[in-house]
Amino acid sequence: DAGITQSPRHKVTETGTPVTLRCHQTENHRYMYWYRQDPGHGLRLIHYSYGVKDTDKGEVSDGYSVSRSKTEDFLLTLESATSSQTSVYFCAISLAQVTNTGELFFGEGSRLTVL
Amino acid sequence: GENVEQHPSTLSVQEGDSAVIKCTYSDSASNYFPWYKQELGKGPQLIIDIRSNVGEKKDQRIAVTLNKTAKHFSLHITETQPEDSAVYFCAATFSGGGADGLTFGKGTHLIIQP
Repeated sequence: DAGITQSPRHKVTETGTPVTLRCHQTENHRYMYWYRQDPGHGLRLIHYSYGVKDTDKGEVSDGYSVSRSKTEDFLLTLESATSSQTSVYFCAISLAQVTNTGELFFGEGSRLTVL
Repeated sequence: GENVEQHPSTLSVQEGDSAVIKCTYSDSASNYFPWYKQELGKGPQLIIDIRSNVGEKKDQRIAVTLNKTAKHFSLHITETQPEDSAVYFCAATFSGGGADGLTFGKGTHLIIQP
């Protein structure tokens, strides 16, 4: 258990509303990631973080922003949700503290439906 | 960037038989290749991985092979059991550098028939 908590686990919202998903970890891990999972696409990287206030874009970052103001929390924000952002969102962490060794451990996911 | 192709998308095998899932990758710099198992309603779980200095790795009924020249790697499950039914994902990345994360294949739905 890598100590990852995602919230909310389920959310239904309407097009145009802002949404924030939270990933919380308890063990001071440096690297954190947000992925989305869609049928036929597998898991695709949205944004990642390599430290407090250090973030970068992934493959599918359009329409998303992130923030990491403290080590334990990595927030994913949809400023104005669209139906194409209906998905299951997974947070992941790497256990590496200095050099990233590759292994990722995933949370249980947040299912978002945009009507 | 890296691109990972995974086949087949669905695999149905009889309980007790073997299952093989294959992946290819595009970036010759990739050096870390994990496999994840995802059960319904849960997050992906790391089940086995291999690094580019190794050709094969085994863990009980699960094995992974890597052919760096051909840029492909495979997951082998022997003596399949009902609890092996799940979606399996392969992935690739260059580790030891930045924090770029894993690039995943699109997944294989493994069905174990009783």
